[in-house]
Amino acid sequence: NAGVTQTPKFQVLKTGQSMTLQCAQDMNHEYMSWYRQDPGMGLRLIHYSVGAGITDQGEVPNGYNVSRSTTEDFPLRLLSAAPSQTSVYFCASSMAGGPGNTIYFGEGSWLTVV
Amino acid sequence: EDQVTQSPEALRLQEGESSSLNCSYTVSGLRGLFWYRQDPGKGPEFLFTLYSAGEEKEKERLKATLTKKESFLHITAPKPEDSATYLCAVQSSSSNTGKLIFGQGTTLQVKP
Repeated sequence: NAGVTQTPKFQVLKTGQSMTLQCAQDMNHEYMSWYRQDPGMGLRLIHYSVGAGITDQGEVPNGYNVSRSTTEDFPLRLLSAAPSQTSVYFCASSMAGGPGNTIYFGEGSWLTVV
Repeated sequence: EDQVTQSPEALRLQEGESSSLNCSYTVSGLRGLFWYRQDPGKGPEFLFTLYSAGEEKEKERLKATLTKKESFLHITAPKPEDSATYLCAVQSSSSNTGKLIFGQGTTLQVKP
């Protein structure tokens, strides 16, 4: 029973490098999202998707790209990493984005940009 | 602006000492209020969803309640394994993104 799977768990990047955080879910959920968690800031929504081929921006989208080519996968791309992107990233999914749909989170990806 | 505030930031209890965590919210139409538990190095784990004032839900030693302005997470006779950070989040009817607005969490430590 995998649920929401994120890779890698830990990553260190140099400023200016690019990378992709992978997220996959096996629950056939339509809604997927990415959050970042920073001390004193709580969890904040980066991007979300309501289904394959449909993505949109959340609260803090700058510096990140997403795509949704399949229902299962929702990768998050850092185009040119900056120290301000040092954070813990969580992928989440639910049946849909509306009320009554519990959002389930992955285990997180710890990213450090030096 | 939709906002969630949790208090206290940290709480230390002795095993068996009951207490409550507070989540105050301002939102333009509440779609749902969620409680999550987060252990160090892990993702948030879903506990409860509450939808309307007066609603209550229970799970083992935890009981969540909801009013029009706040929610409480009551912990009865806690055990050391209840130590974690408890997160409160709301979904607003003003947003169709499914976005959760989180508080900063309450870190609970239960000592044996």
